[in-house]
Formats: sequence, C-alpha cells, structure tokens
Amino acid sequence: SYDLTQSPSVSVSPGQTASITCSGDELGDKYVCWYQQRPGQSPVVVIYQDNKRPSGIPERFSGSNSGNTATLTISGTQAMDEADYYCQAWDGITAVFGGGTKLTVL
Amino acid sequence: QVQLQESGPGLVKPSETLSLTCTVSGVSISYSYWSWIRQPPGKGLEWIGFVYYSGNTNHKYNPSLENRVNISVDTSKKQFSLRLTSVSAADTAVYYCARGRKGVATITSYYYMDVWGKGTTVTVSS
Repeated sequence: SYDLTQSPSVSVSPGQTASITCSGDELGDKYVCWYQQRPGQSPVVVIYQDNKRPSGIPERFSGSNSGNTATLTISGTQAMDEADYYCQAWDGITAVFGGGTKLTVL
Repeated sequence: QVQLQESGPGLVKPSETLSLTCTVSGVSISYSYWSWIRQPPGKGLEWIGFVYYSGNTNHKYNPSLENRVNISVDTSKKQFSLRLTSVSAADTAVYYCARGRKGVATITSYYYMDVWGKGTTVTVSS
C-alpha cells in the first residue's frame, strides 16, 4: 500500500509563513490535495491538484509538489488557520491520507 | 448548494453490521463520486471507499476494508449508504460522507473530496 508521511506538528507566529510537508515515494507523479480540519469540524479542502485553490479559500494558501515531497504553504498565517492539516493522494486504486499535521499559531 | 447529511445508529454491538446513510441535496446523485471516510477518536482520516452511479454502479474500496464493506446508492431517495460487517472496537469512529471529484489531468488521475457532511459518531460496544 502507498504511504504518506507528515510531521505531527508545526508551530508558526502570526503573520509568518507556515510550511507543512507530505512525503511519499515519487509523490510528484501523483496529484495531492490538502484538507484543513478545525477542532470539532469536518475537513475542508484548501488545495487540490497540487496547487489549485477552491473558491472561497484565501490566497494565502498555496501548494506545490515535486519529487517525493508536497508542501502546503500558508503565507501571513492567521490565528484562524490553527487546525489539523491532512494531505491526500490518489494512487489509482485508493485515496490515501497522510497522518496529519497540527498547526499551532502562537 | 451541495449538502450532505449522515444518519444511522450511534451504537453498534461487536460482530454486528454498521449501517449508515448519507442524504444528498442540492445536486444530482448521478455522475458523481460518493465517498465514506472515517476518523477514530484522536486519530487521522481513513478513506473507506466510493460509489459512482451513471446507470451502472461502480465502486472502489480501501483494500484494508474490502472484505467487510459495501457502498450502495438509492437514486430515488438521493441517498448512498455504507454497510460494514463484523465490526469491532477498532471501527469506533466519526464517519463522514463526502462528494468526490475524480478525473485525469496533465500527469495522471486525481481524486479529492470537495463537500463533506458534518459526520456521525459510531461507537462499537456491547
């Protein structure tokens, strides 16, 4: 089975840039999306197809994917961005999630 | 506006079958991918599978659950359903239904879920 690995936690100061990574074997050959999950809420997709933002997602969210690593970047991080973030890829058979990264804005 | 709502028993006994339904509003249930995802307490997301209806019904399931899971669709009620057999405490989780987007782009195929229900908690306990 295909595995995606994320760091358990990332901390960032308000207004700074947060980078959350997701790694997998030849991940750059697959499309990655990212979900934000605030406590007690359902996940929301913030990036799909590596770097596309759904309508309503702020421009400060961006994504990239190359080699074995996909990255979600949040520029000018705000307190409301504090949440768990999950990467997800499609391996042709299944949707695979990373273990999630808790973003703390302190 | 697409909305999804999960429903079903919140408590299931070990070895029995978990059954949940997701009611779709705001969009046709045909020609879309309808997924189930679960999240054990304090843990991450696990994709269970999807169903796609276009006159015929197609499925994809997580191989780790494939021998216990079935996802079906009822177009007349605009619902799709999850059945998970022989449950154990490890199946205790929040269960989400979601609409999937699947296609082929420049380098390969993609799949992601763009609309999610609020989730329903299922506890497996005697």
